[in-house]
Amino acid sequence: DAGITQSPRHKVTETGTPVTLRCHQTENHRYMYWYRQDPGHGLRLIHYSYGVKDTDKGEVSDGYSVSRSKTEDFLLTLESATSSQTSVYFCAISVARSEGYTFGSGTRLTVV
Amino acid sequence: AQSVSQHNHHVILSEAASLELGCNYSYGGTVNLFWYVQYPGQHLQLLLKYFSGDPLVKGIKGFEAEFIKSKFSFNLRKPSVQWSDTAEYFCAVNETFSGGYNKLIFGAGTRLAVHP
Repeated sequence: DAGITQSPRHKVTETGTPVTLRCHQTENHRYMYWYRQDPGHGLRLIHYSYGVKDTDKGEVSDGYSVSRSKTEDFLLTLESATSSQTSVYFCAISVARSEGYTFGSGTRLTVV
Repeated sequence: AQSVSQHNHHVILSEAASLELGCNYSYGGTVNLFWYVQYPGQHLQLLLKYFSGDPLVKGIKGFEAEFIKSKFSFNLRKPSVQWSDTAEYFCAVNETFSGGYNKLIFGAGTRLAVHP
């Protein structure tokens, strides 16, 4: 197991509030990713990181920001949560290109 | 940019039936292909992968997939499904960029229900 933990596992928040989700890894991997999973859409990439302070946007980055101040932590922030951001959020790390990704257990976020 | 299409969104089978889930990807040069499985309430787990070599790859739990380059396909198969195979299955392709980083592009998923 690659040692990925996501927190919190579940969160309910109100529209307009900021929310931060945390992804923590224990094995010093360089590449980390945030995806959201929605029925009928599979997993869509929000943001990714290729090193400390090196991040870039994925296909659905609007309304989200990320930070990576340490190798082990990759934070996803919803600047002002909206109901359309109700989803399950997965963090992933890339161990090697040929190995695909290892995923965390996910965070179920509900925006009311 | 790569894209991935999964043909079936929902599949219902009886136990012992054979399974084939379709996956097509858009051309983008050298490809790495994956199938992931997500059991109810759990995170995604790697089922199998194709990187190079033998186009018929075998994964865990009796699953296999065949990479057909001429058809841009990577279909998942299992000869005889079990109730415990009830899950959602995702096909994914790895898009590699200069600088060495890569992104996994996922299909929309196929939800499989196996009835006893």
